Amino acid sequence: EPEVTQTPSHQVTQMGQEVILRCVPISNHLYFYWYRQILGQKVEFLVSFYNNEISEKSEIFDDQFSVERPDGSNFTLKIRSTKLEDSAMYFCASSVRAIGVTQYFGPGTRLTVL
Amino acid sequence: AQSVTQLGSHVSVSEGALVLLRCNYSSSVPPYLFWYVQYPNQGLQLLLKYTTGATLVKGINGFEAEFKKSETSFHLTKPSAHMSDAAEYFCAVSDRANAGGTSYGKLTFGQGTILTVHP
Repeated sequence: EPEVTQTPSHQVTQMGQEVILRCVPISNHLYFYWYRQILGQKVEFLVSFYNNEISEKSEIFDDQFSVERPDGSNFTLKIRSTKLEDSAMYFCASSVRAIGVTQYFGPGTRLTVL
Repeated sequence: AQSVTQLGSHVSVSEGALVLLRCNYSSSVPPYLFWYVQYPNQGLQLLLKYTTGATLVKGINGFEAEFKKSETSFHLTKPSAHMSDAAEYFCAVSDRANAGGTSYGKLTFGQGTILTVHP
């Protein structure tokens, strides 16, 4: 069964460093998402991406964050200058369309900012 | 803005007992409703969803949920718990469409409920 994959599974970085989290969505999916879950808190929406542009973003997704789909298969989340409060589990998800369908989630990348 | 409330951050049941995980939502228009499960060190997996039609929906692993518009609820049940059901369960909602007639599928999640099953 097709699945969403994410790399790395765990990333440790120093505050102020740039990190890139990578995702490979399911191949025929058109809508892509990033969510995060700070330890002990809710899963929170960050951004949705369709047709090579951001379709919606949350207030969390500020100028320090960016997403791109560089080669038609990978979907990346970049954090330019990490902060301690960026430590969280980051989930990528994809779906065939936006409305009322299953979003398939990857296993997540645990980001630890020291 | 939508919100989701899951009553009880931890629920503990005995093997074979009824599982009931509660979810209430707040939305001006009834949204699409989802239950996801997360096993340790794994991603979120869809258990079931309600989009339209029959309000009682059946999902994987013997779970089901009933959409009750009057109560703005979507509680998850399973008649008989199994040890393998131990996991964290998330209720989520998404818009049917925004004012512009498009919706991009953003999921809004509840806090999650950790289910423990005792032998």
